[in-house]
Amino acid sequence: SQTIHQWPATLVQPVGSPLSLECTVEGTSNPNLYWYRQAAGRGLQLLFYSVGIGQISSEVPQNLSASRPQDRQFILSSKKLLLSDSGFYLCAWSRGTQYFGPGTRLLVL
Amino acid sequence: AQKVTQAQTEISVVEKEDVTLDCVYETRDTTYYLFWYKQPPSGELVFLIRRNSFDEQNEISGRYSWNFQKSTSSFNFTITASQVVDSAVYFCALSEGPSGGSYIPTFGRGTSLIVHP
Repeated sequence: SQTIHQWPATLVQPVGSPLSLECTVEGTSNPNLYWYRQAAGRGLQLLFYSVGIGQISSEVPQNLSASRPQDRQFILSSKKLLLSDSGFYLCAWSRGTQYFGPGTRLLVL
Repeated sequence: AQKVTQAQTEISVVEKEDVTLDCVYETRDTTYYLFWYKQPPSGELVFLIRRNSFDEQNEISGRYSWNFQKSTSSFNFTITASQVVDSAVYFCALSEGPSGGSYIPTFGRGTSLIVHP
């Protein structure tokens, strides 16, 4: 069966610090991968998606970036965090239906 | 463009009541997929069901049932004999395309269900 992992589970970072969130999928190959952000406990905002290694599509221009160095690994990064980057970050994989990871709660202070 | 509307922002019921969560969608495609997800307080979105546009048969899974009506562009979700553990935010989503694979789903804004003991 397929599983999706995200870490860390929670993160508190100062403004201006870098960010790296990792997502890995097991039990499937060549999945589509997605990063979402959920602010204020509601509403999913798609940030990035990838249909293959090195292929990243950005949905929202901001100070975040994503990379897919391996088939089942998706990384969300930032060089300098802003207060507005606080939120709940969800990774998902899909081969028809999206399945979500447990999420990372990020608080930028 | 595709659109999903969940008009109910929050629903509050007492345990054992039946509750229906509404979902209305808009799409120009004849082939599309509809989904429901549950987001409990822990945060993870849990997949509940997927329906394709050619299958209007209603689905029942335990206390959960789904009513898909293309004539009204609705995909409603009913919980029978609600329980406190059903308290969560529920999202309806729509994905266009022949496979629903690489296409990006559109999510509704979610309905918060609170079940009181």
